[in-house]
Amino acid sequence: SQQGEEDPQALSIQEGENATMNCSYKTSINNLQWYRQNSGRGLVHLILIRSNEREKHSGRLRVTLDTSKKSSSLLITASRAADTASYFCATDDNYGQNFVFGPGTRLSVLP
Amino acid sequence: DSGVTQTPKHLITATGQRVTLRCSPRSGDLSVYWYQQSLDQGLQFLIQYYNGEERAKGNILERFSAQQFPDLHSELNLSSLELGDSALYFCASSVESGGGELFFGEGSRLTVL
Repeated sequence: SQQGEEDPQALSIQEGENATMNCSYKTSINNLQWYRQNSGRGLVHLILIRSNEREKHSGRLRVTLDTSKKSSSLLITASRAADTASYFCATDDNYGQNFVFGPGTRLSVLP
Repeated sequence: DSGVTQTPKHLITATGQRVTLRCSPRSGDLSVYWYQQSLDQGLQFLIQYYNGEERAKGNILERFSAQQFPDLHSELNLSSLELGDSALYFCASSVESGGGELFFGEGSRLTVL
């Protein structure tokens, strides 16, 4: 069964706008990671946030983690057409194993 | 390029057949993960190996088996194939046994006719 659930399932925005995706999970985690997948390609790691961290930045990406609500959000600022892809959150269990991915958010950035 | 190599890239076979998918992890990575991605099931974790030993098991069918060899490459064997096994199969590797960044291959697309 899937641990993480992304929301929304699909998101369509204009270039230059910000995109926010959310991830909720069910059980205690060690880390939460976000990945990106271009259509039919392998997943690419974006950012990892540990369970004792609340916020992390990487370039135009900002990730937050609220362990009390068992949720995380990924914010992409000043989006570009090249950001069009599916975005997945992944969680591992307290042993750092069983990496489980959510169903993903399909982001379309329109030029 | 992630450094993870998967072969074959595409595979078409018939129901009831058996196939083997191969994965070479990034140099130095000891952990290998296998995932199945289909339209209706999303990305499903199948199994993880670390330095030749099975470390974690997910939703892997009994018809499927995997192993990691001493040179750290891994193979996923799928037998008695059914139409529903058609999917993208991804291999990922990481340095650690758990908790670290995963590096994904480009996948093996299996079509069962």
